[in-house]
Amino acid sequence: SQKIEQNSEALNIQEGKTATLTCNYTNYSPAYLQWYRQDPGRGPVFLLLIRENEKEKRKERLKVTFDTTLKQSLFHITASQPADSATYLCASPPGGNYQLIWGAGTKLIIKP
Amino acid sequence: EAQVTQNPRYLITVTGKKLTVTCSQNMNHEYMSWYRQDPGLGLRQIYYSMNVEVTDKGDVPEGYKVSRKEKRNFPLILESPSPNQTSLYFCASGLATYEQYFGPGTRLTVT
Repeated sequence: SQKIEQNSEALNIQEGKTATLTCNYTNYSPAYLQWYRQDPGRGPVFLLLIRENEKEKRKERLKVTFDTTLKQSLFHITASQPADSATYLCASPPGGNYQLIWGAGTKLIIKP
Repeated sequence: EAQVTQNPRYLITVTGKKLTVTCSQNMNHEYMSWYRQDPGLGLRQIYYSMNVEVTDKGDVPEGYKVSRKEKRNFPLILESPSPNQTSLYFCASGLATYEQYFGPGTRLTVT
């Protein structure tokens, strides 16, 4: 079945460094992937969407890449700040219908 | 202000007592969906709706019902709640399956 996998271990990064999170998909070819941020006890907030024909997308300190050969999307936060600490989720439609599937998320901790 | 609202935010109930969680959006979105979120399992889609009177099952529809009689509202119904439905529930909406707007969540406990 179609699946999205994200690293379940928390990622600890020093403030000011670049954080890189991974989203891997299996058994399908997504038309696009999207990234969300979720703070504890709150609903996810949309950040970026990247389509299959786009290699890279940027928004301020955020950058997303899409590698259809590796079946992977990378999410980068440059010049990371403690306020960037949150769980980051990856999602996409598996195709064929209007369902959405989600990764379990990666918790990012930015240390001052 | 563009928003998705859910009510109630917190609910403690007993096994078998029917309940409804309401969801409403003011962005004229056609696509709405319900999720449950459990530790370690991430967001799992329960049901989604592409438009009024059009609904379909997500990954975990068992034990839930939905209806979409109006574009703005998408209630989630638990006819006979059980303890394994204890979870954090989110409603979301969007123009389609991209750029979802989420509600604040409903924390449900079934004893």
